[in-house]
Order: sequence, then structure tokens, then C-alpha cells
Amino acid sequence: GAGVSQSPSNKVTEKGKDVELRCDPISGHTALYWYRQSLGQGLEFLIYFQGNSAPDKSGLPSDRFSAERTGGSVSTLTIQRTQQEDSAVYLCASSVDGQLNYFGAGTRLSVL
Amino acid sequence: GNSVTQMEGPVTLSEEAFLTINCTYTATGYPSLFWYVQYPGEGLQLLLKATKADDKGSNKGFEATYRKETTSFHLEKGSVQVSDSAVYFCAFFTGGGNKLTFGTGTQLKVEL
Repeated sequence: GAGVSQSPSNKVTEKGKDVELRCDPISGHTALYWYRQSLGQGLEFLIYFQGNSAPDKSGLPSDRFSAERTGGSVSTLTIQRTQQEDSAVYLCASSVDGQLNYFGAGTRLSVL
Repeated sequence: GNSVTQMEGPVTLSEEAFLTINCTYTATGYPSLFWYVQYPGEGLQLLLKATKADDKGSNKGFEATYRKETTSFHLEKGSVQVSDSAVYFCAFFTGGGNKLTFGTGTQLKVEL
């Protein structure tokens, strides 16, 4: 597609369940970024991929969070044993030159 | 540590009014500075940027000047339109350029 695509757009889950969030980057973009936007807070960096490797995962808030990227394209962010504080909008962006021009519309996660 | 401080919103203006959204940052060195915009229901998109002191970024009638001495990057527009209603985020690159540090965002509402 023309832009960064994320799915699902909304996800409601029960505390303790696992969730998977998907990001389809712009075709040809080698770098992929995940951010989190919590209510009343700025965007928080989670993880950065260059190709399939993640040279910077310093923003992942706990070991319940993991992410992978396959084929240098699609990325999946997995949150295990979700907690209410995980409720946020999860945003993905991709880049070919390090400049983030566009983010996806995000996945709004609600943990009940 | 690294941080961005933006004026709190919402900012409500009448159409054709002058807009200023203040942004100051705390960072080591001289990072590249950015303004992003998030229109209702859409993902963030880069609005403008400045990469060195005294640079002026501009786009869609918006401007911001990189002020090293005051560590500021205030966003301005001479005459706002209803279509400018959105959330505006100030940001800069840290961590070797792999991660953006964002402000909390400022919501702008423009009324007829």
C-alpha cells in the first residue's frame, strides 16, 4: 500500500490475555519503529528495526513486550499477560533514510 | 534527561487568527527538531523540520525556527483555517538518531 498500515485498528482484551499488533510498512522501507501513545502523555519509543534485526529495543517497558520482523517487511508487536496500564495507542512508522514522515493510524488497545 | 515541553491545550482560535504553539527541549548537543501533526482519525505526519541552529522549517503556511540559545522551536502560522484543527507534536532525535522524543501534544481547535 501507499502508507503504513496497522491492524487491528481497535483491540479490546481482558487483563491477562495475550495480544498481537501488526504493522505493514511502506514498501522498500528498511527501518521500522514502534511507539506508544498513552492518554495525556507524549509518544514513547518502544523498539526500532533495521531489516529484521532490532538494534534498539530499549523502550520496551517489560519482558511481557516483544516484537519481531520477518522478511524485512511486516512486524508484529506482542504483549503477553496484558495489564490495564498497557492500554494505549500503539503506533508504527517506517523509513528508508531515517526520517519519519508518516506513522500508521495506530492500534487502540483497551485492556479491561 | 532528554525531554520536550509543549504548551498545554486545547488551544481554541477563530479562523484567520495568528497561532503560536510553544516548544522547548532539553537534550545533549544540537538535535534535529521536528513538528508532527495528527489530524482526526489519521496517523501522525511530519509537518516541518530544522536540522541546525537558526534554520527555519516551513510547510503549509506553518513555520518554526531552531533557537539554540533558548532551546526552543515554536510553531507559528499567520492565519489559521478550520482545516488546521489537529493535534501538534514537537519532537527531536536522540539516541544516535534512532528514536524521537516527543512532547505531549497540543490540540488546536479552529472555529469559524
